Amino acid sequence: DTEVTQTPKHLVMGMTNKKSLKCEQHMGHRAMYWYKQKAKKPPELMFVYSYEKLSINESVPSRFSPECPNSSLLNLHLHALQPEDSALYLCASSQPGNEQFFGPGTRLTVL
Amino acid sequence: SQQGEEDPQALSIQEGENATMNCSYKTSINNLQWYRQNSGRGLVHLILIRSNEREKHSGRLRVTLDTSKKSSSLLITASRAADTASYFCATDARDDKIIFGKGTRLHILP
Repeated sequence: DTEVTQTPKHLVMGMTNKKSLKCEQHMGHRAMYWYKQKAKKPPELMFVYSYEKLSINESVPSRFSPECPNSSLLNLHLHALQPEDSALYLCASSQPGNEQFFGPGTRLTVL
Repeated sequence: SQQGEEDPQALSIQEGENATMNCSYKTSINNLQWYRQNSGRGLVHLILIRSNEREKHSGRLRVTLDTSKKSSSLLITASRAADTASYFCATDARDDKIIFGKGTRLHILP
């Protein structure tokens, strides 16, 4: 299984809502990542988990809260988002130092 | 902060021609990776080249790396309509973190 899955594919939420994005991989990768991508821009790294511990937080606002329940799962909890947070959120996994495998992304719209 | 800068930003070529994209970066790296992204979808890894390698091939793809010039190139030979996509270089300067360049939008004309 060389796939990274993400749910949901699309999400529309209001600024007062709480929602979660989910990511799963079964390749035994020990690093997992969240990226944010705006239209016609490159992915921007948000968080990195290495061996289930948060190793990198790229100064992301606290309204984004990552969680890594186990080595296969990665969540991104969303609360009190702003319209400018609307973007494609991408999850990826890798063995540290190797190529990353990306999921298809969640298209998030904040109203 | 972005590490890699692709050149050109956009490229249109006829089907069957070769496409060359370049990437420059600023700091020392462990490896450099090239990814493809079709519109609005996830990224697909193409090739990873390590800092001690100079050239790598995969099918119609050829990647070169010049660490003295801090630059890399991606060559796609005999282009096809399905190669239309955005192409990103990404540099891995230390464990767990890679930084993407701005990307090249490649359009293959029929």
